[in-house]
Amino acid sequence: GAVVSQHPSWVICKSGTSVKIECRSLDFQATTMFWYRQFPKQSLMLMATSNEGSKATYEQGVEKDKFLINHASLTLSTLTVTSAHPEDSSFYICSAREPRTGRTGELFFGEGSRLTVL
Amino acid sequence: QKEVEQDPGPLSVPEGAIVSLNCTYSNSAFQYFMWYRQYSRKGPELLMYTYSSGNKEDGRFTAQVDKSSKYISLFIRDSQPSDSATYLCAMSRTGGYNKLIFGAGTRLAVHP
Repeated sequence: GAVVSQHPSWVICKSGTSVKIECRSLDFQATTMFWYRQFPKQSLMLMATSNEGSKATYEQGVEKDKFLINHASLTLSTLTVTSAHPEDSSFYICSAREPRTGRTGELFFGEGSRLTVL
Repeated sequence: QKEVEQDPGPLSVPEGAIVSLNCTYSNSAFQYFMWYRQYSRKGPELLMYTYSSGNKEDGRFTAQVDKSSKYISLFIRDSQPSDSATYLCAMSRTGGYNKLIFGAGTRLAVHP
């Protein structure tokens, strides 16, 4: 299957700092990527849809000024958690659709990034 | 009511058992159905992908979709300890919109 890479896989930061997480599609171009958040023992919750060359579309209840998304190229989307607080500690996962499969809805996921805010 | 319901388990079975995992959903607009496997602290890995109703088999895995009942299943035959993971069902609507709605995930433990 297609490969989606996330970096860093884990990060610890102090409260008030900003953290950037990168999501890359390694062997395909992704015009759309998705960012999810997952709390322990809970399912993935879609935060936003990242569109190459345009603004991200955020889900209801997600603060766009808190979670900045940039999709500057067809292979890279970044999520920046600004002024992080302990309640932002979570597992963040990105995904992208491999367009060549032509199968709507089939997504490939990154390994996830675990953020811990002290 | 959640759009997708999935029993979180945990489900514990002996090695070699047949495992049945299920999800129900409420929105009849869902057309694409997927099962993902997620190991601890890892991203989900696509296992099965089906469109509309019917069965699909891939090795030890069989996915079933019953749209009339709004019910999907994943069967794992000859389960192995390496199958121990959380299994997430996911589904999306028609029209090329790739927003996936996930179930809560079922934690499966296969013991030797």
